[in-house]
Amino acid sequence: EIVMTQSPATLSVSPGERATLSCRASQSVSSNLAWYQQKPGQAPRLLIYGASTRATGIPARFSGSGSGTEFTLTISSLQSEDFAVYYCQQYNNWPPRPFGQGTKLEIK
Amino acid sequence: QVTLKESGPVLVKPTETLTLTCTVSGFSLSNARMGVSWIRQPPGKALEWLAHIFSNDEKSYSTSLKSRLTISKDTSKSQVVLTMTNMDPVDTATYYCARISWGQLAPFDYWGQGTLVTVSS
Repeated sequence: EIVMTQSPATLSVSPGERATLSCRASQSVSSNLAWYQQKPGQAPRLLIYGASTRATGIPARFSGSGSGTEFTLTISSLQSEDFAVYYCQQYNNWPPRPFGQGTKLEIK
Repeated sequence: QVTLKESGPVLVKPTETLTLTCTVSGFSLSNARMGVSWIRQPPGKALEWLAHIFSNDEKSYSTSLKSRLTISKDTSKSQVVLTMTNMDPVDTATYYCARISWGQLAPFDYWGQGTLVTVSS
């Protein structure tokens, strides 16, 4: 089974600054990786798929990169509404279809 | 407009069987390459994928929970049903259903709002 590992667990960043979140797969998932954003009390929302394609309606400040086993989600200039928990998930080889443990992005 | 909505009991007792229903609209469960998964999230914890069913009725399950899960669909009712047997307090979680729309290599593009299930005597 593929294991997804996210780092850091918590990231403290000031509004307006850049945030970089990492996701590592235990074996290659090609570019079949998605990022989801989850705010308190809400369902997750698709941000990025195919490792680097923004989903419909996602602002350009969100970008994804990577392939194989190493992936990055970058938020170029943090807005107040971006503070949330972010999850990565591989869909290259499943079942199962695991998520990472999440990165909490908090206001510094 | 694509929507998914979960429904089921709020409270179940230990050892009971949980039955959850995901009612979808804005798309058909019979459309080729369409599928629906169930995902859960214990309070304050990460997302855990549970099970999936495709339009052709192909099913897949979490390795660790496979013996307790059954997923099925009723296309005429636009519903996907998940049953989980032998419920335990550790199964207390918000349960979500989510859609994939272009086959095996696709992310979850729409999610339901989730339903909180508490397991307690």
